[in-house]
This record gives sequence, C-alpha cells and structure tokens, in this order.
Amino acid sequence: SQQGEEDPQALSIQEGENATMNCSYKTSINNLQWYRQNSGRGLVHLILIRSNEREKHSGRLRVTLDTSKKSSSLLITASRAADTASYFCATGFTQGGSEKLVFGKGTKLTVNP
Amino acid sequence: DTEVTQTPKHLVMGMTNKKSLKCEQHMGHRAMYWYKQKAKKPPELMFVYSYEKLSINESVPSRFSPECPNSSLLNLHLHALQPEDSALYLCASSQGLLRSGVNQPQHFGDGTRLSIL
Repeated sequence: SQQGEEDPQALSIQEGENATMNCSYKTSINNLQWYRQNSGRGLVHLILIRSNEREKHSGRLRVTLDTSKKSSSLLITASRAADTASYFCATGFTQGGSEKLVFGKGTKLTVNP
Repeated sequence: DTEVTQTPKHLVMGMTNKKSLKCEQHMGHRAMYWYKQKAKKPPELMFVYSYEKLSINESVPSRFSPECPNSSLLNLHLHALQPEDSALYLCASSQGLLRSGVNQPQHFGDGTRLSIL
C-alpha cells in the first residue's frame, strides 16, 4: 500500500505549546503535502514540500522531509484553539499523466484554551 | 468559503434511486478529483480528470459514474448504491501536472454527505 502512516493518531496540548506530527511513507514520491480538516468540512492545503527540498516554512508551520527515511514532520508553533483539527499528510505521485495524492491516516489535534 | 462548490451538502437516497453530485470551480484549474471519505478515515481517491478527460479510475464500482461536461464542472452520477457507500464525497481541483510541469496543491470543496437507506 502507498498509504502513509502518521503518528500520533491523536494529540492534545495546551494553547501556546508546539505540536509535532510525523508521517512515514513507503514509496518514492514527487512531493509531500500537508492538509488540515475541520470537523464536517473539506480539506485545506497547508504546505507542499518537493522531494528535493528538506525543510519549508509557512507562518507558524515548519515541515521537514527526509527522503532517505521516507518520513516528514509538521511542526505547528505557538498553537491556538483554532488549530484544533485533523491533519493529514499526502504523498504525491504521477499516474496516467496526472498527479495522484495518497493520504495518511491523519492526526487529530486538540488545542485546549 | 471554499473556491470549490459542491451540491448538495447532504443527500439521503434509497438503494434504487439515481442521483448526481455536482462540483464547480472557477479558478481555471484543469485537473479535478473525486474522493470518498468514511468517518475517521482519510480521503480515498476515486477518479481524476485532466483536461476534461478521465485519467485515473481507482477501480471504482460502476454504480459510480463520473462526468466532466466542461473544465469548470464535475459530476458524479450515482445508481443502485449500497449502504456501505454512505460517506462524505469530496471534490477537489488543481492546476494539474501536465501544464505546469510542477506539482500543485489541491483545493477541496466541503463535500456532500451521502446516506444510503
């Protein structure tokens, strides 16, 4: 299966703390993306890191990618209650001339006020 | 508000009904996607359209029939569904791989929550 694995499955922290989520995958990838999903809503793209990049920042988000270990991490600094959501990593592949995303199982993050 | 609009938001149908899910985007994206998401699970890819042509079908049962009438619209026609097909159906779009040659993020709608009685 190409599906990634994320850990932890659930994470509960206090507002202001940092949250780290990890993602591991099994095959070669074009890129790795992180998405957020609030309950009952669609997914929101957070950040994309290409296979030749090692680290990327966007606001309070920091993503790392280690292709030798086939793993990535998402760090959210100074978390807020509004960051409460499920977070998914997704690995990007090319198939049939199109890009295909395979999502990991997700981490459910709860930020307590 | 999302830039990908899905209708209806909720749909309840019997196993013998025929219904359609609709998805619309006006971002000029040339790739559009259907995903199925069960509760507490990640989205699973069903179909990919690239430049209005079906490019990926993830071995989806024929009771799901996708259609891309033009570059802004994507439909999913449903017929003779089973109770296990109850799920959140998500549509997404992106600039696509071929035109830019660079991987692009996907923009998701809020989904249609489908219940099969």
